[in-house]
Amino acid sequence: EAQVTQNPRYLITVTGKKLTVTCSQNMNHEYMSWYRQDPGLGLRQIYYSMNVEVTDKGDVPEGYKVSRKEKRNFPLILESPSPNQTSLYFCASSTAGGMGQPQHFGDGTRLSIL
Amino acid sequence: EDQVTQSPEALRLQEGESSSLNCSYTVSGLRGLFWYRQDPGKGPEFLFTLYSAGEEKEKERLKATLTKKESFLHITAPKPEDSATYLCAVQTGFQKLVFGTGTRLLVSP
Repeated sequence: EAQVTQNPRYLITVTGKKLTVTCSQNMNHEYMSWYRQDPGLGLRQIYYSMNVEVTDKGDVPEGYKVSRKEKRNFPLILESPSPNQTSLYFCASSTAGGMGQPQHFGDGTRLSIL
Repeated sequence: EDQVTQSPEALRLQEGESSSLNCSYTVSGLRGLFWYRQDPGKGPEFLFTLYSAGEEKEKERLKATLTKKESFLHITAPKPEDSATYLCAVQTGFQKLVFGTGTRLLVSP
């Protein structure tokens, strides 16, 4: 089954404790992206990757890092999490292409930073 | 600045009562407009892509249309299982999506 898998689904942690949210897709997609979803603000892009070793900032990259060492994986790293990073996070992937290709989303990771 | 606005924020319908959701956008260059459905505890699920004004797409009880400034998602004779949040997004750059904040739809039996 074609899917985007995120882990963990839920995490409660404390300020300053480094964490990684993993994302893996089995569709051989070139493009992958991370979003955060906050009430009243919608989905906002954090980082995206056009292919292996190619990443770039989205609209809200501060406090986050990413890496793309393999095509299927795109982890999101919070080096020193803060309470304002409490949010619902989604990973997405799609085929590359100039005209719109639909992005396929994982089921989300709910992070609470105390 | 690229902007996507969805209305209404919430909509309550009786089963069988048709209605429309609106997505208006202001973007510098539209490469595609997407509709997604999001259920509680789930990620957005792709419904439609529209590329140019005048285009229409249909799937079961849903029909999406596009003009130069807005898109409509028409829901005909909705059922309770159509209850969800419907998200609109526009692609402005290479795979860059700008999302609206969604319309929460509740269909009562």
